[in-house]
Amino acid sequence: DAKTTQPPSMDCAEGRAANLPCNHSTISGNEYVYWYRQIHSQGPQYIIHGLKNNETNEMASLIITEDRKSSTLILPHATLRDTAVYYCIVNKSGGGADGLTFGKGTHLIIQP
Amino acid sequence: GAVVSQHPSRVICKSGTSVKIECRSLDFQATTMFWYRQFPKQSLMLMATSNEGSKATYEQGVEKDKFLINHASLTLSTLTVTSAHPEDSSFYICSASGRILNQPQHFGDGTRLSIL
Repeated sequence: DAKTTQPPSMDCAEGRAANLPCNHSTISGNEYVYWYRQIHSQGPQYIIHGLKNNETNEMASLIITEDRKSSTLILPHATLRDTAVYYCIVNKSGGGADGLTFGKGTHLIIQP
Repeated sequence: GAVVSQHPSRVICKSGTSVKIECRSLDFQATTMFWYRQFPKQSLMLMATSNEGSKATYEQGVEKDKFLINHASLTLSTLTVTSAHPEDSSFYICSASGRILNQPQHFGDGTRLSIL
């Protein structure tokens, strides 16, 4: 699976949009981009995933660049409960068949 | 959304004890289940992958005789840490995926294992 690079930490004000970047310059054509988050002492929570097109669900939006070498996760109106470590993961199987390789992620801190 | 339940959430036991952790998919059939381990201030590391009805595949460096995995049904996988020692103390997390292609894994809430 391709390697991802994320900033180690970010701050965001409550109520503002949180934009979390991820670089995956070695991604191959059949690899998806997945985002999970882990709140302290809990299991990871699935957020969103995509292949080429931008995606949106009730939690977030995922913007993937046209060359697919980077992506941005957007939390539109961050709340204090969004404070967590966010993991960007590239996986070729579509998520189900292979174990995931977690990097160090981005520790997002939402400030009141 | 898909729900994965893990039990127990916390275990404290003496060195030499064997500990069993259960992972259940509550609302879907989990054809594949994964076990991860997370040490303090580190990221999750995949330990093993199990498909229903077959032997688990272990990652390099994970002792299969120490970490016994059973995936006998489409809704249940168990991880048994045999003869646990203090260095096995960690946060153990399972995940599960179903038959639908391109659907994500869903994780349990983890089991914090402390060996005294």
